Amino acid sequence: DGGITQSPKYLFRKEGQNVTLSCEQNLNHDAMYWYRQDPGQGLRLIYYSQIVNDFQKGDIAEGYSVSREKKESFPLTVTSAQKNPTAFYLCASTPRGRIYGYTFGSGTRLTVV
Amino acid sequence: GQQLNQSPQSMFIQEGEDVSMNCTSSSIFNTWLWYKQDPGEGPVLLIALYKAGELTSNGRLTAQFGITRKDSFLNISASIPSDVGIYFCAGPPSRGSNYKLTFGKGTLLTVNP
Repeated sequence: DGGITQSPKYLFRKEGQNVTLSCEQNLNHDAMYWYRQDPGQGLRLIYYSQIVNDFQKGDIAEGYSVSREKKESFPLTVTSAQKNPTAFYLCASTPRGRIYGYTFGSGTRLTVV
Repeated sequence: GQQLNQSPQSMFIQEGEDVSMNCTSSSIFNTWLWYKQDPGEGPVLLIALYKAGELTSNGRLTAQFGITRKDSFLNISASIPSDVGIYFCAGPPSRGSNYKLTFGKGTLLTVNP
């Protein structure tokens, strides 16, 4: 079955360390997105990519980096510059131009210890 | 960026009751989407609305696209325990940005059996 996979489900990081969250999709979707979710804050866009080798900053990109070397993959790196990284991170994908086709992964919960 | 205001922030209801929630924007939206997020999972699309005044149902769920294009409503009839979760409204932030969604902060629904 086609879908979008995020791994790991739970991730613990020590302060000062970088960590990379994985997002892989086999839906042949062009666009991919990373959202951050905090309690009571809804979903906030970190980065998005419409095509391979191209990506744009979202509303809260500071302290994060991404790459899009393959259509299927859009990893997110949470760097040590992100001051409050503990959150639930959601990856999504969609055929380009079809916003109703957003498919979300099941999320990664990152905790800084 | 544009913001979507959802209300109420949370609801505690008894099984069998009907539920109403709404979403408003200070600017016009051309599309309204309603998502549900189960605890610890990614959001799933419930209903998509594309025309002002449109009324669309999906089982016990009914959503309406406000005639001013600045609001949308979601109703759930005869609630059941599995309706528990966070309900988000979403839409494209501006004309031409039909690949990027803005999300409301969500309505947390709790159903007591």
